[in-house]
Amino acid sequence: QAQLMQSGAEVKKPGASVRISCKASGYTFSAYHIYWVRKAPGQGLEWMGIINPNGGDTSYAQKFQDRVTMTTDTSMTTAYMLLRSLKSEDTATYYCARGTFGYYDDWVDPWGQGTPVIVSS
Amino acid sequence: SSALTQGPAVSVALGQTVRITCQGDSLRTYYASWYQVRPGQAPVLVNYGANIRPSGIPHRFSGSRSGSTASLTIVGAQAEDEADYYCYSRDSSGDHLVFGTGTQVTVL
Repeated sequence: QAQLMQSGAEVKKPGASVRISCKASGYTFSAYHIYWVRKAPGQGLEWMGIINPNGGDTSYAQKFQDRVTMTTDTSMTTAYMLLRSLKSEDTATYYCARGTFGYYDDWVDPWGQGTPVIVSS
Repeated sequence: SSALTQGPAVSVALGQTVRITCQGDSLRTYYASWYQVRPGQAPVLVNYGANIRPSGIPHRFSGSRSGSTASLTIVGAQAEDEADYYCYSRDSSGDHLVFGTGTQVTVL
């Protein structure tokens, strides 16, 4: 059974960076993309980007293009998301998820448990 | 990226049927997938493609598409279906993915 386990909650000051890890198990890590999505309090789901563990190709949402870096370590079946220059508006729960990309019927499943990130001075 | 537009909220009586819609030009080409989000919990995939339900998702959840509109229908809504529902698909360029604005479903 596929599972994604994320690192724990983070509290950061404005201007700092946060790196979240996402450990995959129960499936062939390189066979699916890893998505990163966030949900701020009272807001909807927001797609941040995607990485293909098979080769490392990434695609980022324009909003995060200059502040985010997504990587994978295939030997550890772990994905990482680094978000720099944090602002208070980045306070949210961050999710990684497994999914397909490049088809007419892409899906995302399962999701990690989420990593709360609080940005406050 | 162009957003996918959903109605903000809908209510349904216990055991009745409710339909949630998602509108966007990209849906003429790409299917939507649908996610249930309960407060404080991770999203759960409930339907994708041409009405495919993941293992463990009840048959009362069904998906469809017509033109630029995708729909998720819950037939015989249960109390546990009360949640926010998001559609997810490509943006108008086809290069990026985007979530719908979300629909809050209340079961009365």
